[in-house]
Amino acid sequence: GENVEQHPSTLSVQEGDSAVIKCTYSDSASNYFPWYKQELGKRPQLIIDIRSNVGEKKDQRIAVTLNKTAKHFSLHITETQPEDSAVYFCAASVTGGGNKLTFGTGTQLKVEL
Amino acid sequence: NAGVTQTPKFQVLKTGQSMTLQCAQDMNHEYMSWYRQDPGMGLRLIHYSVGAGITDQGEVPNGYNVSRSTTEDFPLRLLSAAPSQTSVYFCASLLGETQYFGPGTRLLVL
Repeated sequence: GENVEQHPSTLSVQEGDSAVIKCTYSDSASNYFPWYKQELGKRPQLIIDIRSNVGEKKDQRIAVTLNKTAKHFSLHITETQPEDSAVYFCAASVTGGGNKLTFGTGTQLKVEL
Repeated sequence: NAGVTQTPKFQVLKTGQSMTLQCAQDMNHEYMSWYRQDPGMGLRLIHYSVGAGITDQGEVPNGYNVSRSTTEDFPLRLLSAAPSQTSVYFCASLLGETQYFGPGTRLLVL
């Protein structure tokens, strides 16, 4: 089955700096890669996703890049703000099997003032 | 439109007890799933359903049963709770490729 590895497990940045979280996946059939943000005590919420026919996708301060050859994808947050502090999860699945997401182990992002 | 709802929010069980975690959605989504979340391990798929009357196992199904008699409801049953089942449980429904998670149930098994 699919295996998703996520790094780093914790990340501390100064407000205004950029943050990058990286994930690798093992199943070459995976073609859908969402990112979720989870605040303390809350449910995971989708913040951005990318499909394998696209190399990069951007939504305001958040962007995701995908390298299918290397089987890795990354989340980029620019101009970080304290409200970006949360746990971020990457995930992978095969289109049509979207409810069979395989998640990474999460990255605790802390944005310091 | 309440989205995905879960009850209870928090539950304490003794080893060997049984219970059902409730999950309901009012968005008429066909796909629903149950995940458990443990520290340092992300979310792991327990069971999923692609429609009423159809369920299948995920990554960590042992110790859990599910049924899907209606589109709206997808309960998760623990037949004989074990301390290893202490976790936070999230139910989710799916539209397209987007998962909508419920608020979660925090379960402590003593």
